[in-house]
Amino acid sequence: EAGVVQSPRYKIIEKKQPVAFWCNPISGHNTLYWYRQNLGQGPELLIRYENEEAVDDSQLPKDRFSAERLKGVDSTLKIQPAELGDSAVYLCASSLGTAGYTFGSGTRLTVV
Amino acid sequence: KQEVTQIPAALSVPEGENLVLNCSFTDSAIYNLQWFRQDPGKGLTSLLLIQSSQREQTSGRLNASLDKSSGRSTLYIAASQPGDSATYLCAPGPGAGSYQLTFGKGTKLSVIP
Repeated sequence: EAGVVQSPRYKIIEKKQPVAFWCNPISGHNTLYWYRQNLGQGPELLIRYENEEAVDDSQLPKDRFSAERLKGVDSTLKIQPAELGDSAVYLCASSLGTAGYTFGSGTRLTVV
Repeated sequence: KQEVTQIPAALSVPEGENLVLNCSFTDSAIYNLQWFRQDPGKGLTSLLLIQSSQREQTSGRLNASLDKSSGRSTLYIAASQPGDSATYLCAPGPGAGSYQLTFGKGTKLSVIP
């Protein structure tokens, strides 16, 4: 069984440019999460989806961040425009019920 | 809001030693708790999942315990190996009124050959 797949693996962009990250969760997992991890810190939740509905986006900086999960499967997280402080690892995870979370390998974003 | 503390922040041990990593959390109304491993520059790998009805889980040389009432979990690693070097993250899971994992800052483990 394939795990949670994320792409790209790395991304370097100049500030003020847009960037997008893609996530394909484990088949059948109805809940999908985007987390952000700053250096030396634990991951922090940005947004949670139940199927195609964003049910918790309270920590998503909505002025520049957006996300979508079309058809309740794949998801895309976008930043426009990117700022220097957005440099971090962006992690996608999926889960089914209380069976625990599975994380992808993450996308390391560097904004220069 | 759930708060998670992991002690120690960093640990260096010689190969072969047994070790314990500690995790404390403030909100005991959780359905489960998960321990993850993170290698530098990589994503999170799930090590153990303990449901709220369980006291402990074992996988190979790893044993994790959960005491919900006191808000504590420990991860025990037996006969440590250099390949165990990584950051270990504790994450109390969803519970009443919360659907997210909350992470501590982790314990960075170095096992010296």
